[in-house]
Amino acid sequence: GENVEQHPSTLSVQEGDSAVIKCTYSDSASNYFPWYKQELGKGPQLIIDIRSNVGEKKDQRIAVTLNKTAKHFSLHITETQPEDSAVYFCAASIREDTGFQKLVFGTGTRLLVSP
Amino acid sequence: NAGVTQTPKFQVLKTGQSMTLQCAQDMNHEYMSWYRQDPGMGLRLIHYSVGAGITDQGEVPNGYNVSRSTTEDFPLRLLSAAPSQTSVYFCASSPGTGGRSPLHFGNGTRLTVT
Repeated sequence: GENVEQHPSTLSVQEGDSAVIKCTYSDSASNYFPWYKQELGKGPQLIIDIRSNVGEKKDQRIAVTLNKTAKHFSLHITETQPEDSAVYFCAASIREDTGFQKLVFGTGTRLLVSP
Repeated sequence: NAGVTQTPKFQVLKTGQSMTLQCAQDMNHEYMSWYRQDPGMGLRLIHYSVGAGITDQGEVPNGYNVSRSTTEDFPLRLLSAAPSQTSVYFCASSPGTGGRSPLHFGNGTRLTVT
């Protein structure tokens, strides 16, 4: 079936460094790509999303890039801070035969930012 | 504004027992869904609903039932719990359909089946 691969599974950086998480998807019809941050004991929370008609989107220290030809998209966090430590999930919309679009999630990246 | 509220936060069941996980949202979202989260497997869709009276199956529906009698509530029923259903369950809602708009998640129910 359609899937989303996410790498790396864990990422350790020093405070102030940049962090990059990459995802690939298989459905060429995918057109919505959100990123979620999950803190311990809480539900995932949307931090940024991008649609297929845009190649890059920024929100302060966070940016997402999309390469539709290669079917991959990436999350970039600059000037990382300890409070960025969390699990990050990418997702891609997948169109089923019924026409319904669902989100398929990657397996998550545990980011640890050390002071 | 409470958002998406899930109860209970924790639950321990014995194999064969049944229970209902509750989910309520106060954002008037038409779309609601249930996911389970297991280590190394991300979030997998169990069931979803695009409006009151309408439900459909996701990727992993076996062993679970849902109903949607109101816009606000979307309970998930485990008919006969099995150890394989040990997981963290998340309810999510969206103002649009599940694949086109941001999902708003609750804080989860951690279920252990012994």
